[in-house]
Amino acid sequence: SQKIEQNSEALNIQEGKTATLTCNYTNYSPAYLQWYRQDPGRGPVFLLLIRENEKEKRKERLKVTFDTTLKQSLFHITASQPADSATYLCALDKGTGANSKLTFGKGITLSVRP
Amino acid sequence: DSGVTQTPKHLITATGQRVTLRCSPRSGDLSVYWYQQSLDQGLQFLIQYYNGEERAKGNILERFSAQQFPDLHSELNLSSLELGDSALYFCASSADRNNEQFFGPGTRLTVL
Repeated sequence: SQKIEQNSEALNIQEGKTATLTCNYTNYSPAYLQWYRQDPGRGPVFLLLIRENEKEKRKERLKVTFDTTLKQSLFHITASQPADSATYLCALDKGTGANSKLTFGKGITLSVRP
Repeated sequence: DSGVTQTPKHLITATGQRVTLRCSPRSGDLSVYWYQQSLDQGLQFLIQYYNGEERAKGNILERFSAQQFPDLHSELNLSSLELGDSALYFCASSADRNNEQFFGPGTRLTVL
């Protein structure tokens, strides 16, 4: 069956370091992948989208890579700050026809300590 | 503020009851999505509407139904509620199915 794995429940790092979050998937051929940030009790907020034919995407301190051979996406936050502490969700979509729907991973909780 | 509104913010009800959750998408967005989020299951896609028509279905129970009205707002109806239905319910909207989704603040449903 289709599965999305975000390889750890929590990641703790020191302020200023680079946080790297991993999203692995199996039995899936997504057309694109998205990363969202979610704070406790609030709705997810879109961060980045990367298509299957793109290797890397950047936005300010954020970078996402997409390796369809390894079936893996890496999400990097450089120069991390305590304000980056949140849960980060990856989401995949096959993008096939009109019946597209996002499937979310369970998320990784990032804590950045001062 | 994502521009997506959801009401009510909190809802407490008893088993066996029926509730309606409401969502207004961002101005101009034709697609509305409903998700359920519980601690053990994560964010689960329920159903999508596009310009009034059902477009995709996920893990939605038969006790649940939804619709999108001509003004594009959407309602999620949950009936014969069970304790396990307690969760956060999010609505999201997008301009196009390949675009990012904008999530509302959610409705926290507690079934006692």
